Amino acid sequence: DAKTTQPPSMDCAEGRAANLPCNHSTISGNEYVYWYRQIHSQGPQYIIHGLKNNETNEMASLIITEDRKSSTLILPHATLRDTAVYYCIVKNNAGNMLTFGGGTRLMVKP
Amino acid sequence: GAVVSQHPSRVICKSGTSVKIECRSLDFQATTMFWYRQFPKKSLMLMATSNEGSKATYEQGVEKDKFLINHASLTLSTLTVTSAHPEDSSFYICSATGGSFEEAFFGQGTRLTVV
Repeated sequence: DAKTTQPPSMDCAEGRAANLPCNHSTISGNEYVYWYRQIHSQGPQYIIHGLKNNETNEMASLIITEDRKSSTLILPHATLRDTAVYYCIVKNNAGNMLTFGGGTRLMVKP
Repeated sequence: GAVVSQHPSRVICKSGTSVKIECRSLDFQATTMFWYRQFPKKSLMLMATSNEGSKATYEQGVEKDKFLINHASLTLSTLTVTSAHPEDSSFYICSATGGSFEEAFFGQGTRLTVV
């Protein structure tokens, strides 16, 4: 599976949009982009995933560039409860294993 | 999304004893389950992959005789840490995938402390 690069940390003001970038320049054509988050001392929580089209659900939006080499997770109105480590993971659906990198520690501040 | 339940959430055991952690998929059939370990301020590290009814596949460096994994049904996998030592103290997390889901779902994790 392709490797991803994320900034180690980001801050966001409560109520503002949080935009979390992810670089995956070696992504293959059959690999999906998955986003999970981990709140302190809990298991990871699935957020969203996509192949090439932008995706939106009740938690977030996923914007994937046309060349698929990078993506951005958008939390439209961040709350204090969104403070967590956010992981961007690339994998194909034939292999179910998720490989976690360092992620981005998002701190939402009042 | 689907629910994966892990039990216990927290356990303290004496050095040399064994501890069993359960992972259940509550509303879907999990054809594949994964076990991860996470040390403080580190990312999740995959320990092993198990498919229902077959032997688990362990990652390099993970002792299969120490970390026994059983996936006897489509809704239950267990991880037994045998002869636990203080260095086995960690956060253990399971995840499951299967059914109509492309994504994997995670349990809430088990904090193991070996004293």
